[in-house]
Amino acid sequence: GAVVSQHPSRVICKSGTSVKIECRSLDFQATTMFWYRQFPKQSLMLMATSNEGSKATYEQGVEKDKFLINHASLTLSTLTVTSAHPEDSSFYICSAKAGQTYGYTFGSGTRLTVV
Amino acid sequence: AQSVTQLGSHVSVSEGALVLLRCNYSSSVPPYLFWYVQYPNQGLQLLLKYTTGATLVKGINGFEAEFKKSETSFHLTKPSAHMSDAAEYFCAVSDSTDKLIFGTGTRLQVFP
Repeated sequence: GAVVSQHPSRVICKSGTSVKIECRSLDFQATTMFWYRQFPKQSLMLMATSNEGSKATYEQGVEKDKFLINHASLTLSTLTVTSAHPEDSSFYICSAKAGQTYGYTFGSGTRLTVV
Repeated sequence: AQSVTQLGSHVSVSEGALVLLRCNYSSSVPPYLFWYVQYPNQGLQLLLKYTTGATLVKGINGFEAEFKKSETSFHLTKPSAHMSDAAEYFCAVSDSTDKLIFGTGTRLQVFP
């Protein structure tokens, strides 16, 4: 089946630094990638949608200059949290969709802790 | 706009008992509906989905869900709970832009 590999699974960084999270579709081409944020014991909140080769579309209230999304190829999308602060600590999950198959495959998530 | 309501943030059952997790949706177009399971510190795994066709959908691990348009519901059931079913369950609906809109989740506890 379709697999999305997300790395790193856990990262601790100092306040003010930047962190990059990668999501790779291993056995299919992901035309669309979605990035979610999940606070403890809460649901997933969509942050942005990216299509290969074009700029990401951000949801209302999400700072595009802080959460940089790049989808340069059909198998790789990255989320960079710039100038991280403790309030950015969260669980980030990516999801990939391949064409019109209506299948969404999720990465295993990244636990970001900013100290 | 699409939305999902999951009734009951916590559900507790005994091992071997029926599992029923409720999901109601709101959609202005024919909905595509999904149930996902999430274990601690992990991503989401698809249990089952409804797109078109048969309204009773069978998924993995013995779960099934029935799409009831008249009730705008897509409840998840399993005849006999296992300890390994303890997890967080999310119902979701996709909108016309392919975004998945998630419910708030239901934590299932299974007692021996």
